[in-house]
Amino acid sequence: AQSVTQPDIHITVSEGASLELRCNYSYGATPYLFWYVQSPGQGLQLLLKYFSGDTLVQGIKGFEAEFKRSQSSFNLRKPSVHWSDAAEYFCAVGGTTNAGKSTFGDGTTLTVKP
Amino acid sequence: SAVISQKPSRDICQRGTSLTIQCQVDSQVTMMFWYRQQPGQSLTLIATANQGSEATYESGFVIDKFPISRPNLTFSTLTVSNMSPEDSSIYLCGSTDYNEQFFGPGTRLTVL
Repeated sequence: AQSVTQPDIHITVSEGASLELRCNYSYGATPYLFWYVQSPGQGLQLLLKYFSGDTLVQGIKGFEAEFKRSQSSFNLRKPSVHWSDAAEYFCAVGGTTNAGKSTFGDGTTLTVKP
Repeated sequence: SAVISQKPSRDICQRGTSLTIQCQVDSQVTMMFWYRQQPGQSLTLIATANQGSEATYESGFVIDKFPISRPNLTFSTLTVSNMSPEDSSIYLCGSTDYNEQFFGPGTRLTVL
């Protein structure tokens, strides 16, 4: 069975500081990996996705993530956090895009200090 | 990517009643799915709905409680039946496009 672990429930960073959100997955084959952001009262927005190829993927809003097969990880990074990045972040794993059956992690809440 | 809309965006309902949530996609899609996000928790897949066939439910979810319709390639409904306060959640519908998954804005349901 596929699963996703986001070890950090809550992270606080200062505005302008760098950010890394951790994600570990369990999947029996090559995974399709996603990061989503959910702002308060908003729906889910896809930040970036990995299917194959270059293990460093670029997303929207200046985010990037690196797929490391040996570590079963897909950590999300941003070099300089903005106050508007405060939100809930979800990592998800799926078999194929057309399966639609993604498994989500429990999420990491990001707080940005002025 | 396609755009998904949901109705209602939020509702407050009484225990024992039912609510039907509508999900509309602006293009034809093969698969639609429904997720539940309980307060402070992550998303849990309820079921997958393909047009022309019965929905496939995940473990812990049953058709009597969450009947789903999928009458065409752009529309689906999820009904939350005989509601209890434990059903208070955000319900999201979604679909997949080539190399991307996308979601509606969600329906925030509160059951009193």
